[in-house]
Amino acid sequence: DTEVTQTPKHLVMGMTNKKSLKCEQHMGHRAMYWYKQKAKKPPELMFVYSYEKLSINESVPSRFSPECPNSSLLNLHLHALQPEDSALYLCASSQRTGGLDEQYFGPGTRLTVT
Amino acid sequence: AQSVSQHNHHVILSEAASLELGCNYSYGGTVNLFWYVQYPGQHLQLLLKYFSGDPLVKGIKGFEAEFIKSKFSFNLRKPSVQWSDTAEYFCAVSPSSGSARQLTFGSGTQLTVLP
Repeated sequence: DTEVTQTPKHLVMGMTNKKSLKCEQHMGHRAMYWYKQKAKKPPELMFVYSYEKLSINESVPSRFSPECPNSSLLNLHLHALQPEDSALYLCASSQRTGGLDEQYFGPGTRLTVT
Repeated sequence: AQSVSQHNHHVILSEAASLELGCNYSYGGTVNLFWYVQYPGQHLQLLLKYFSGDPLVKGIKGFEAEFIKSKFSFNLRKPSVQWSDTAEYFCAVSPSSGSARQLTFGSGTQLTVLP
């Protein structure tokens, strides 16, 4: 099983809402990532978890809060977002952190902030 | 920090034409190199990767890439494209060692193959 799953596929939320994005992998990977991708742009790294610990936060605003409950799950909690946060949010995983191994990407959650 | 340049933003080819997409990187040390593809409405998939060894690497779907260290390049090639190759192609690089071993993507090249 080389699949990374993400839920929901689409999410529309107001600027005062609180919502969460979920990501799951069952490949035994120990590194998991959140990326943000705007239309026609490359993915931008947001967070990296290595062995369930946050290892990199790319200066992401605090309205985005990651969580790694266990080695298979990764959440991204959203609160008080801005319209410019509308984007495709991608989750990825790899055997080891960094660029040592191929990253497997999920299909993403298309987020619209109204 | 490393950076990646993809100079072709949009390439339009007819079926059976040959393809070469440029990728240049900037980094002072050794790197791992990747090409990812994003088909319309689908998730990012790895086409091929280079870590070490033979600089000519073969990937899925008939794609190959050549690492030329002296030119800091990792160009993607395919001898004969198909309509189904229409997609966004991203080159990516990560340092081979050090604490900042994260993946940096180029800006992407949109390939449109006309039937």
